[in-house]
Amino acid sequence: EPEVTQTPSHQVTQMGQEVILRCVPISNHLYFYWYRQILGQKVEFLVSFYNNEISEKSEIFDDQFSVERPDGSNFTLKIRSTKLEDSAMYFCASSSSAYNEQFFGPGTRLTVL
Amino acid sequence: QKEVEQNSGPLSVPEGAIASLNCTYSDRGSQSFFWYRQYSGKSPELIMSIYSNGDKEDGRFTAQLNKASQYVSLLIRDSQPSDSATYLCAVNHDNYGQNFVFGPGTRLSVLP
Repeated sequence: EPEVTQTPSHQVTQMGQEVILRCVPISNHLYFYWYRQILGQKVEFLVSFYNNEISEKSEIFDDQFSVERPDGSNFTLKIRSTKLEDSAMYFCASSSSAYNEQFFGPGTRLTVL
Repeated sequence: QKEVEQNSGPLSVPEGAIASLNCTYSDRGSQSFFWYRQYSGKSPELIMSIYSNGDKEDGRFTAQLNKASQYVSLLIRDSQPSDSATYLCAVNHDNYGQNFVFGPGTRLSVLP
């Protein structure tokens, strides 16, 4: 069964450093998303991506964040200068159409020291 | 403010019983509704989607939607200890279906 994959599973970084989180969505899906979940809190939407451009972003997704689809399979989230409060689980998700179910990857746990 | 509310729990039910999980949402324009299960330290796993008023059944799971009351529920029949997890309600608020708003989740504990 096709699934969303994410790498790395755990990333530890120093405050102020740049990190890139990687995702491979399900191959025939067209819509891609990033969410985050701070420990003990709810899942929060960051950004959605369709047709090689951002279609929607939340208030959390400020200028420190960017997304890219560098090739036909990968979808990345870059945080330019990490802050302590960026420590969270980051989930990538994909869906086949705008109203359909979103399928989540296993997540990347980001720890900012 | 787009809000999705759930009782945080924990909801404890004995093995074999029916577990009932509830969710309310604030935006009347919401169109798509989803239930996810999340085990501790893991990612959300889709259980069911529901788009129109009424009931939708899939195995031991039944989702119920009442748009007039802005209410969606999940029933789990014959609950098993392996059903012990946090259940997340997600609602689509955007006209283009790209923004899921998640509730805080209800922690379910099924006691053997």
